[in-house]
Amino acid sequence: NAGVTQTPKFRVLKTGQSMTLLCAQDMNHEYMYWYRQDPGMGLRLIHYSVGEGTTAKGEVPDGYNVSRLKKQNFLLGLESAAPSQTSVYFCARSRGSAGNTIYFGEGSWLTVV
Amino acid sequence: GENVEQHPSTLSVQEGDSAVIKCTYSDSASNYFPWYKQELGKGPQLIIDIRSNVGEKKDQRIAVTLNKTAKHFSLHITETQPEDSAVYFCAARSVDNTDKLIFGTGTRLQVFP
Repeated sequence: NAGVTQTPKFRVLKTGQSMTLLCAQDMNHEYMYWYRQDPGMGLRLIHYSVGEGTTAKGEVPDGYNVSRLKKQNFLLGLESAAPSQTSVYFCARSRGSAGNTIYFGEGSWLTVV
Repeated sequence: GENVEQHPSTLSVQEGDSAVIKCTYSDSASNYFPWYKQELGKGPQLIIDIRSNVGEKKDQRIAVTLNKTAKHFSLHITETQPEDSAVYFCAARSVDNTDKLIFGTGTRLQVFP
């Protein structure tokens, strides 16, 4: 799992429900990311963090919130799930900037009905 | 911001033949270009990367070339094998002080025995 563990792996939500995806890394890396993957659209960055206590918006942040209270964990929250948020979500980590390798987790499949 | 286009979206080759996937990027300041391989049900894994101060890089059967003037880079796989079948993503690192990776839309490669 490239040192990135995502939970849960599968989840079905009803429209309007809330949930949190948990990402945990075991490499003490500074940077963590949440991407979503949709057919024909590649991977798009939702939010990212450059260190404990920091978060920043990516390409498609609307409808999501994140928190990085501990360096090892990066949480992705959906406050009111919508069918458009049906996707595969990938968490990733990297040591830092300047072209360091980004390592991805195995993904979390989310369906909103 | 950065935009990455990837072609083709699907590619079928006979085992032993070569496969080439091409990407173009828009931001001339981008300086890091990784390639990821994603197998079914798994997260993307880095297979090779290249930085803007290098024109070509090889790793066994895989090579990447970069043309900074034309703003395009390509992945070359020689002597393809059935286990090379996967979805391949190119990416470019945005250099707007955020170090975000912008991904192409992916190429599904099928290698037939």
